Amino acid sequence: DAGVIQSPRHEVTEMGQEVTLRCKPISGHDYLFWYRQTMMRGLELLIYFNNNVPIDDSGMPEDRFSAKMPNASFSTLKIQPSEPRDSAVYFCASSPTGGSFYGYTFGSGTRLTVV
Amino acid sequence: AQSVAQPEDQVNVAEGNPLTVKCTYSVSGNPYLFWYVQYPNRGLQFLLKYITGDNLVKGSYGFEAEFNKSQTSFHLKKPSALVSDSALYFCAVRDSVSSGSARQLTFGSGTQLTVLP
Repeated sequence: DAGVIQSPRHEVTEMGQEVTLRCKPISGHDYLFWYRQTMMRGLELLIYFNNNVPIDDSGMPEDRFSAKMPNASFSTLKIQPSEPRDSAVYFCASSPTGGSFYGYTFGSGTRLTVV
Repeated sequence: AQSVAQPEDQVNVAEGNPLTVKCTYSVSGNPYLFWYVQYPNRGLQFLLKYITGDNLVKGSYGFEAEFNKSQTSFHLKKPSALVSDSALYFCAVRDSVSSGSARQLTFGSGTQLTVLP
């Protein structure tokens, strides 16, 4: 298995532009998580899905952020419009049912820079 | 509510010396505990976990962790540090009796380990 795949690895965009981050979880994993990592705030859980359904989006910072999971093999995190304070590394992770028993598998992340 | 604390932002140790990265937790029931490592420009990688059983857990790359219920701690250890162990280390916890969103892992703030040659 190729693991959790995220794209792009790096994204540089101008303030006000729409940004879409993509994630392909490990096949057979029921849970998908989106995290944001910054020096100031550390690792923050933004949202997670179970069987393609959003379960908890309380970590999404504001309405500019949205996430979807149209099928079991694909998820997107969208920021519209983007702002410089959104600059961070965004991670996707997946786990099987009972995942907090087995642990999560993380992707390599997308480094977003908003200028 | 479950929580985890990593009291040290930074740990420096000389190569060949033993290392310890500290983690304490708070849960209502029994804890499930994990350690992850993050190398530069990479995602978090699983190191080891404690679910039940022996208090000393052995994991990848020669790391081990000791579960101490009375002190609610799960410190990460290695007998002899390598320069290549330099990375960011995260402790994570889940309460075995929680439900809903609380069934997911809560991560600590991370500890930057630097092993000096």
